[in-house]
Amino acid sequence: DSGVTQTPKHLITATGQRVTLRCSPRSGDLSVYWYQQSLDQGLQFLIQYYNGEERAKGNILERFSAQQFPDLHSELNLSSLELGDSALYFCASSVITASEQYFGPGTRLTVT
Amino acid sequence: AQSVSQHNHHVILSEAASLELGCNYSYGGTVNLFWYVQYPGQHLQLLLKYFSGDPLVKGIKGFEAEFIKSKFSFNLRKPSVQWSDTAEYFCAVNAYPNTGNQFYFGTGTSLTVIP
Repeated sequence: DSGVTQTPKHLITATGQRVTLRCSPRSGDLSVYWYQQSLDQGLQFLIQYYNGEERAKGNILERFSAQQFPDLHSELNLSSLELGDSALYFCASSVITASEQYFGPGTRLTVT
Repeated sequence: AQSVSQHNHHVILSEAASLELGCNYSYGGTVNLFWYVQYPGQHLQLLLKYFSGDPLVKGIKGFEAEFIKSKFSFNLRKPSVQWSDTAEYFCAVNAYPNTGNQFYFGTGTSLTVIP
């Protein structure tokens, strides 16, 4: 158990819908990262937050957004969902930026 | 663009065989390097990391990796694999600070160890 929690574990929704994925970092970690893992794309970095502020952006679509709250948990919002958004979404946290990351169990999103 | 290449997509070994998984990255500046492992049905776990110092780093479960700066490589090794090493292995690079703290992962190498 890495100490990073993600909810829900599984999510099935229809195209065009909007969903919110939640992540709670390890106690004491200020940085939260979001990744998308799909079969054909591997693990893609989406976005990083540090102590509530956006720090780095990767291959995140405009339909996706995220935020980190004062209690350091983070939410990833996915809207206007398409079939191609079906993937595993991982959250990771670290004490400081650039240190090793600890991954959560992931949320499996299926868009039908 | 920054990239991480893992040349072996799928490796099949017998128990007790030696393992070497290749990882090359494209960034020429200062890098932090990592190997993560994902056992079936589980989340990614850190195997080992390199920030600075001795280029030969030892991780958990008998794994080690060697950073060769001139070759932009960080290959993972284990002298004798076990069935329990069956998993997906990911190399990751953090090109800090120039790329805004982004982490780049390779596409992964699936290792199957036959008892």
